[in-house]
Amino acid sequence: DGGITQSPKYLFRKEGQNVTLSCEQNLNHDAMYWYRQDPGQGLRLIYYSQIVNDFQKGDIAEGYSVSREKKESFPLTVTSAQKNPTAFYLCASSISPRLTEAFFGQGTRLTVV
Amino acid sequence: AQTVTQSQPEMSVQEAETVTLSCTYDTSESNYYLFWYKQPPSRQMILVIRQEAYKQQNATENRFSVNFQKAAKSFSLKISDSQLGDTAMYFCAFMNGETSGSRLTFGEGTQLTVNP
Repeated sequence: DGGITQSPKYLFRKEGQNVTLSCEQNLNHDAMYWYRQDPGQGLRLIYYSQIVNDFQKGDIAEGYSVSREKKESFPLTVTSAQKNPTAFYLCASSISPRLTEAFFGQGTRLTVV
Repeated sequence: AQTVTQSQPEMSVQEAETVTLSCTYDTSESNYYLFWYKQPPSRQMILVIRQEAYKQQNATENRFSVNFQKAAKSFSLKISDSQLGDTAMYFCAFMNGETSGSRLTFGEGTQLTVNP
């Protein structure tokens, strides 16, 4: 079945450590996105990529990094520079950069301990 | 920058009744897209309905319909014959159709509870 897979579902990190969240899609979509969701807030865009080997900062990119070496993969690294990393992270993809519909993964809950 | 506002943090409705969720947005663009997404307790984001700004006709998908008022920058979602499975967080979202980069801007969400 086609879809977007995020792993792991739950992730715990010690303060000061970097951690990488995985996002893989087999929908042959060109564009991929990372959003952060905090309680009582909507989704906020961290990074997005329209094509392989290219990506742009979203509204809250500080403390995060991404890569897009393959069309199907868009991993997000939460670095130690991110001051408040505990959140729910959602990955999405769409057929083209001018998306008319985004498909979302099931999310990763990151907790800093 | 575009903003999306959902002024109702929580709403409830009785099963089989109709409920309307409100959304307003702010943009200077003329070409854009609007969406309603549903996030049930599983936290999976599901597209409910979308509207292209250039279309005057309101979008409908089965029990879901929108009231798109372009001049007022309003985009409300009406759910008819509410079902228990409609209980979820609902997000209104905006995407500018002119820019080459895609940025879905979300509202804060409305938690809808359907009561038996």
